[in-house]
Amino acid sequence: SQTIHQWPATLVQPVGSPLSLECTVEGTSNPNLYWYRQAAGRGLQLLFYSVGIGQISSEVPQNLSASRPQDRQFILSSKKLLLSDSGFYLCAWEDRRGTEAFFGQGTRLTVV
Amino acid sequence: DAKTTQPPSMDCAEGRAANLPCNHSTISGNEYVYWYRQIHSQGPQYIIHGLKNNETNEMASLIITEDRKSSTLILPHATLRDTAVYYCIVRALYLNRDDKIIFGKGTRLHILP
Repeated sequence: SQTIHQWPATLVQPVGSPLSLECTVEGTSNPNLYWYRQAAGRGLQLLFYSVGIGQISSEVPQNLSASRPQDRQFILSSKKLLLSDSGFYLCAWEDRRGTEAFFGQGTRLTVV
Repeated sequence: DAKTTQPPSMDCAEGRAANLPCNHSTISGNEYVYWYRQIHSQGPQYIIHGLKNNETNEMASLIITEDRKSSTLILPHATLRDTAVYYCIVRALYLNRDDKIIFGKGTRLHILP
């Protein structure tokens, strides 16, 4: 069966520090991968979308970046965090048909 | 750029049917209606999807109007655990590269004891 792993679950980072969040998917191949962010009390904002290795679509210009070094690995990064980067970060995958998307448990990031 | 319109919030008594409406007047012929929900502090969970026929699964029923411009998600016997934000999304199956999952604001459903 397919599973999605996202870590860490919580993270507290100082302003200006780097960030690396990792997401891996098991049990499927060639998935579409997503990174979303949800600020406190707000909706789900799509950050990045990937249809294949090295193919990243950025939806919102900001100080975040994403990479897909392997088929089932999606990494969200920042060189210098801002206070406004605080939020709940969610990784998701779906198969090529797009029937159903599966979400990770999320990372709650607090930038202090 | 969500293609759907939903009421911001709804209340429903526990044990009653919860009927969540969604308008999607610009839906295209190859686009499906999907429903997800997000319980507080969790990732969204897929509920159901349909093209034009009514659909039912163990979680809910989806009623799509004949002109496909609106739909209703029905939770037949709502429980307190159904309290969540419900998202209605329109997108095509067998995706092209630009067909991403975009969430709107959804409907915050409160199940009242």
